[in-house]
Amino acid sequence: DAKTTQPNSMESNEEEPVHLPCNHSTISGTDYIHWYRQLPSQGPEYVIHGLTSNVNNRMASLAIAEDRKSSTLILHRATLRDAAVYYCILATTMDSNYQLIWGAGTKLIIKP
Amino acid sequence: DTGVSQDPRHKITKRGQNVTFRCDPISEHNRLYWYRQTLGQGPEFLTYFQNEAQLEKSRLLSDRFSAERPKGSFSTLEIQRTEQGDSAMYLCASSQRTFSIEAFFGQGTRLTVV
Repeated sequence: DAKTTQPNSMESNEEEPVHLPCNHSTISGTDYIHWYRQLPSQGPEYVIHGLTSNVNNRMASLAIAEDRKSSTLILHRATLRDAAVYYCILATTMDSNYQLIWGAGTKLIIKP
Repeated sequence: DTGVSQDPRHKITKRGQNVTFRCDPISEHNRLYWYRQTLGQGPEFLTYFQNEAQLEKSRLLSDRFSAERPKGSFSTLEIQRTEQGDSAMYLCASSQRTFSIEAFFGQGTRLTVV
């Protein structure tokens, strides 16, 4: 199974950018890279996803390495509400089906 | 539509009892997923449906677990003869049919087996 590796936790100051790294060296050519986050006592929430090119949306940016073996989620200006566990996930097709394979995630701590 | 709804939010049961959870997905979503999450870990895939068809089941899904999605709308996950190791958060998610679209998660059902 494809796997991702993330730091267990990271700290950042409020109002500053945050770069959350993810390694996925076993990624296959058709795997999408997804990021979700999970606030305490909540279900996961979609953040962003991409295949090869960098992606931007209202929540974050996703920078994907040229060899696709790593990616970085960028929160441009972190707020206290961004404190959550961030999961980097490969969306893997298996026999034309599709499932998300989750790692342990990075706990992001925002300091006021 | 208020999103994916799960019921109950919390369930405490005695070991050996059967439990059933319900998930109501976003109405136009064809795909429905069940995940299990234990403390400090990411969600683990259990099974998924496209409309009423159960298309994939994880090796984690023992014979005591069964899931249904009659008529392709809501889904139920039943655990028979519960064990203490079944204690976890059970998450349901739904998405549109297109591959790689984002999935929307419910708030989960927390099961405690005593």
